[in-house]
Amino acid sequence: GEDVEQSLFLSVREGDSSVINCTYTDSSSTYLYWYKQEPGAGLQLLTYIFSNMDMKQDQRLTVLLNKKDKHLSLRIADTQTGDSAIYFCAETHSSNTGKLIFGQGTTLQVKP
Amino acid sequence: DAGVIQSPRHEVTEMGQEVTLRCKPISGHNSLFWYRQTMMRGLELLIYFNNNVPIDDSGMPEDRFSAKMPNASFSTLKIQPSEPRDSAVYFCASSRDRDDEQYFGPGTRLTVT
Repeated sequence: GEDVEQSLFLSVREGDSSVINCTYTDSSSTYLYWYKQEPGAGLQLLTYIFSNMDMKQDQRLTVLLNKKDKHLSLRIADTQTGDSAIYFCAETHSSNTGKLIFGQGTTLQVKP
Repeated sequence: DAGVIQSPRHEVTEMGQEVTLRCKPISGHNSLFWYRQTMMRGLELLIYFNNNVPIDDSGMPEDRFSAKMPNASFSTLKIQPSEPRDSAVYFCASSRDRDDEQYFGPGTRLTVT
């Protein structure tokens, strides 16, 4: 079945770049997403990439997709303390029904 | 728009009681999703609706769980009877159509003692 894997924790210093990685198994995914969850809040869509793209940049965020290796990454440039949160990678289900499969989430800790 | 609205934000109940969680999707959105988040299992899709019709309820854990969407602006997730292992944060999300971006509500934190 479909599976999405992420490392559970990442700690960086303020001002450094953060790279959060994700691997997935469903090669027929059409979209891949990055969501951010702050403490006590719901998930907020940060960005997404269509499966026929290799890269997408949006201000401080850069998404890289290696479809051959089924590897997705999110780079946050100039990481700020406000970026501390849990980041979820998600892929669309192969049945193309809108169902999302989420990874376990990566907790990003930004130290001042 | 106010976004996806969920109520209550927090619910504490005793084992065996019925629990009803409520969700109001964003106006104009045709798809609605119920998720459960726990430390052990992460974020799981329980059920989702498209145009008020349940499409996939394979994530509903047991018959104790049921969900309804009587109209385009309201959905409920009911647990009867509730058990301590149902303690989790339950999220509702909606999207314009089934393949579009999902917008999440703030969640309902359920504690069953």
